[in-house]
Amino acid sequence: RKEVEQDPGPFNVPEGATVAFNCTYSNSASQSFFWYRQDCRKEPKLLMSVYSSGNEDGRFTAQLNRASQYISLLIRDSKLSDSATYLCVVKPGNTPLVFGKGTRLSVIA
Amino acid sequence: DVKVTQSSRYLVKRTGEKVFLECVQDMDHENMFWYRQDPGLGLRLIYFSYDVKMKEKGDIPEGYSVSREKKERFSLILESASTNQTSMYLCASVAFGENIQYFGAGTRLSVL
Repeated sequence: RKEVEQDPGPFNVPEGATVAFNCTYSNSASQSFFWYRQDCRKEPKLLMSVYSSGNEDGRFTAQLNRASQYISLLIRDSKLSDSATYLCVVKPGNTPLVFGKGTRLSVIA
Repeated sequence: DVKVTQSSRYLVKRTGEKVFLECVQDMDHENMFWYRQDPGLGLRLIYFSYDVKMKEKGDIPEGYSVSREKKERFSLILESASTNQTSMYLCASVAFGENIQYFGAGTRLSVL
């Protein structure tokens, strides 16, 4: 079983739509969780950390379910500029980050 | 502002050549990483380093080596480049005890 699994997409959504991505992780000892964003032909950049109680940053909401070992990202009121690949990232203890393969989002006018 | 600089954006090399990919960070970070990214395979960790002169193998170290002589610089070496090493290479750094990783812009290497 892969350590971090994501639906590769693509998710094609119209502007203004709400879209949600899920990610599952296999290591129950994982301590820290993140969503990174990667634009086409660019490097990944941190979008947001994911906290146990869930957290929001503007139109973006991240949630963590430790019991089921999944993380979600919700994007409300999608913009064209949200088009990117979203990487689910997990830190299993004192080891390097583990990256999912990413979910591609295309927001269409 | 955080800065991780990779020496080349694009590189074309021939099979069998020795290739050096350089990465420099200006944030005094202890931890540095080299990844390659291929379509459908995501980011794969090649090597990482938690301190000067220290290195650890990642998930796919075969065919690669690294050098960390100074804290700010982490070099990836392809001793004898092969066509299956054609890829996007990404360097990253993070401060000790922190989790947010900062990436360089990447080097797109083609081995012909």
